Amino acid sequence: DGGITQSPKYLFRKEGQNVTLSCEQNLNHDAMYWYRQDPGQGLRLIYYSQIVNDFQKGDIAEGYSVSREKKESFPLTVTSAQKNPTAFYLCASSIEGGHSSYNEQFFGPGTRLTVL
Amino acid sequence: AQSVAQPEDQVNVAEGNPLTVKCTYSVSGNPYLFWYVQYPNRGLQFLLKYITGDNLVKGSYGFEAEFNKSQTSFHLKKPSALVSDSALYFCAVRDMGANNLFFGTGTRLTVIP
Repeated sequence: DGGITQSPKYLFRKEGQNVTLSCEQNLNHDAMYWYRQDPGQGLRLIYYSQIVNDFQKGDIAEGYSVSREKKESFPLTVTSAQKNPTAFYLCASSIEGGHSSYNEQFFGPGTRLTVL
Repeated sequence: AQSVAQPEDQVNVAEGNPLTVKCTYSVSGNPYLFWYVQYPNRGLQFLLKYITGDNLVKGSYGFEAEFNKSQTSFHLKKPSALVSDSALYFCAVRDMGANNLFFGTGTRLTVIP
């Protein structure tokens, strides 16, 4: 997991609350990603950012928001509009994420979010 | 559209025996293919990738994978399994020109002592 930190490791949220998951990288990578992992479904892309101040929706962006104000940071907010937010959330980064990129992604240790 | 299939949810193998974790893919162009491993409650770790060139790719921890274009497969292999190889393995594909990776649903490998 070297170079990418996620906090907190465990997070509990009451229904109707927004929560923000932190992701920081010191790898000097341009591209960053947020995935959601549910049992038996693999990883699904929520949002990604190829450069500072720019980001795009992934396959399941509804109910989530992100910002990319600094190269090192890509926080994810899970809003009350997300109907089933309980999951394991993974942040990743890669050197660059353009259309021709074949660079592997490096993953953080994850945050497990539980809605009470 | 790109997709990945890992046909086996679970693979069991005895320690010391060879292991294979299967992956097939579908892309519209030339694929970039990746294998990752995940240990419990951890992030994914990169094992190896195929971009172009030699069909046999060698990666971390003694793993290798063979790209087979005619069968659209990229199976992960290791000649001799270790108990410590027990984990969840993900295959991923990126269609050349696509913005992001598409992951399979994962295969849980259990190596039996």
